[in-house]
Amino acid sequence: QQQVKQSPQSLIVQKGGISIINCAYENTAFDYFPWYQQFPGKGPALLIAIRPDVSEKKEGRFTISFNKSAKQFSLHIMDSQPGDSATYFCAASRVRDMRFGAGTRLTVKP
Amino acid sequence: DAGVIQSPRHEVTEMGQEVTLRCKPISGHNSLFWYRQTMMRGLELLIYFNNNVPIDDSGMPEDRFSAKMPNASFSTLKIQPSEPRDSAVYFCASSSGRTDTEAFFGQGTRLTVV
Repeated sequence: QQQVKQSPQSLIVQKGGISIINCAYENTAFDYFPWYQQFPGKGPALLIAIRPDVSEKKEGRFTISFNKSAKQFSLHIMDSQPGDSATYFCAASRVRDMRFGAGTRLTVKP
Repeated sequence: DAGVIQSPRHEVTEMGQEVTLRCKPISGHNSLFWYRQTMMRGLELLIYFNNNVPIDDSGMPEDRFSAKMPNASFSTLKIQPSEPRDSAVYFCASSSGRTDTEAFFGQGTRLTVV
């Protein structure tokens, strides 16, 4: 069963715009929520992560917003750049068990 | 450290043949994960090990799939017999085993079964 649901499947944004990807999870035992970025031909790599005791975490142009009561979290990419074009995966983890969303293919047009 | 090393990078095989994918995790990591990536289903967790012991293999599609981790520095994922629907990119990842630590992925093995 899919424990982490991610949307949208694909996203096209103009350069300088805001990209928003949403995820929802079911198991309240998850206690670590990372986002991974994957470029073609490469494995996913950690981008940014959050624990459920905070509602927001920002690193540069990337921000995670976390809503524990709704069991939802999202990734915001501010001032999106063509170099941000990649597939983004949200994940939920608890003690060595990490489950991924289906992925969002982001295209940033120049 | 060279990171997680997977081999081969590409594998093309005929239906019915046995396929073995290999993974060398990062030294010192005690958790190892096998994932399968397809366009339709995204990244699916197949199995994960902790301290060389399989913890959860509920994601393994069927009995044709098996995974082993004979020691801390090596793991295999075997498909026997292979079928065209097994075509996908298979990733191995390792982590230090704590909840809030990064999982490091290998480059993946692109498997094509014809």
